[in-house]
Amino acid sequence: AQTVTQSQPEMSVQEAETVTLSCTYDTSESDYYLFWYKQPPSRQMILVIRQEAYKQQNATENRFSVNFQKAAKSFSLKISDSQLGDAAMYFCAAPGETSGSRLTFGEGTQLTVNP
Amino acid sequence: SQTIHQWPATLVQPVGSPLSLECTVEGTSNPNLYWYRQAAGRGLQLLFYSVGIGQISSEVPQNLSASRPQDRQFILSSKKLLLSDSGFYLCAWSVRYSGNTIYFGEGSWLTVV
Repeated sequence: AQTVTQSQPEMSVQEAETVTLSCTYDTSESDYYLFWYKQPPSRQMILVIRQEAYKQQNATENRFSVNFQKAAKSFSLKISDSQLGDAAMYFCAAPGETSGSRLTFGEGTQLTVNP
Repeated sequence: SQTIHQWPATLVQPVGSPLSLECTVEGTSNPNLYWYRQAAGRGLQLLFYSVGIGQISSEVPQNLSASRPQDRQFILSSKKLLLSDSGFYLCAWSVRYSGNTIYFGEGSWLTVV
């Protein structure tokens, strides 16, 4: 069963505007990390941001921030002031359902940035 | 700094031929190592992971195998490729006990014809 769900296969945003990509997950772990990765056309997987589940404060990396709702098991990525170079496939990653299971990736959201 | 290299970048192989993809990590010791496969337009599927030399865990039954002959070397192999083995293969590593942040290699495109 899929334990990391990205409900938006495709999203688009105008340059300089803000977009939010959604992700939900299911894990029995109590202490864990969540990740967003970016995959541009080169196919290189690039770490965008990481959130520690025991921290209530949402992680921020420059124009990228997360909205982490632990009780709801929701982990969305907000991209502010979108740039053309942000166009890519974005993957959410979280622990699997069972304790000790490997990191599981969502199916991805293809982000288009319109000039 | 740590780097990961994976090769070859592109491979076209006939059905039934063998496969060997190689990956090495530099700048760290005792990494966890991973092989992922990505079908076109899809997410990543974990194939194998290793926590040490000779220690391989398989996530998905298939005709692929993995080996870790040295601490920072991870090899993905097959004796006889199938058409369904086509895809984009990614090697990755993580520092043990550090929140599982995974760092990826450049990837290898495999087309089985």
